[in-house]
Amino acid sequence: AQSVTQPDIHITVSEGASLELRCNYSYGATPYLFWYVQSPGQGLQLLLKYFSGDTLVQGIKGFEAEFKRSQSSFNLRKPSVHWSDAAEYFCAVARRGGGGADGLTFGKGTHLIIQP
Amino acid sequence: EAQVTQNPRYLITVTGKKLTVTCSQNMNHEYMSWYRQDPGLGLRQIYYSMNVEVTDKGDVPEGYKVSRKEKRNFPLILESPSPNQTSLYFCASTRPLGQGRYEQYFGPGTRLTVT
Repeated sequence: AQSVTQPDIHITVSEGASLELRCNYSYGATPYLFWYVQSPGQGLQLLLKYFSGDTLVQGIKGFEAEFKRSQSSFNLRKPSVHWSDAAEYFCAVARRGGGGADGLTFGKGTHLIIQP
Repeated sequence: EAQVTQNPRYLITVTGKKLTVTCSQNMNHEYMSWYRQDPGLGLRQIYYSMNVEVTDKGDVPEGYKVSRKEKRNFPLILESPSPNQTSLYFCASTRPLGQGRYEQYFGPGTRLTVT
């Protein structure tokens, strides 16, 4: 079965610094991967998704992610963080190897703290 | 406007008192899902539905029931809630993107407290 690991429970970054959030997946074939953000007290917002093709994916709010099959990773990056980026970030993979019709398997999340 | 709605948004109840959380989508999607979110555990799928009258268990179905009598509605039923079901619940509707690819639309969430 598919699984997702987010190794970092908390990450603290200074405002204006670069960010990389790690995500590792477990799946035999090409996975369908997603990154979501949840601001405090809010719902889930899709940042970006990867299905196939170009391994560098651009998303909203200046985020990007790179799919690396050799490392089973789909890390999220942003060149310069803003205080408003403080939130919980979730990596997810389509369940059962499908396109995501029957839902997603989520990682446990990374809590991002922005230092002034 | 495309949306997934959930009601209620907040609910405090007592152990054993049956409750239903409603979920409705206006996008004519076939697939819908329920998740629960707990600190340190991320989101875990409870149930999903492939179409009217077709449902299947997710990863944490114990203590929950669902029904899908209409395409737009997918209620989550807790027949005898217990404190370990205190959680944040999300309903999702699945948008087809073509070529066997899909994207989840999430509702705003329902915060449930069982005392």
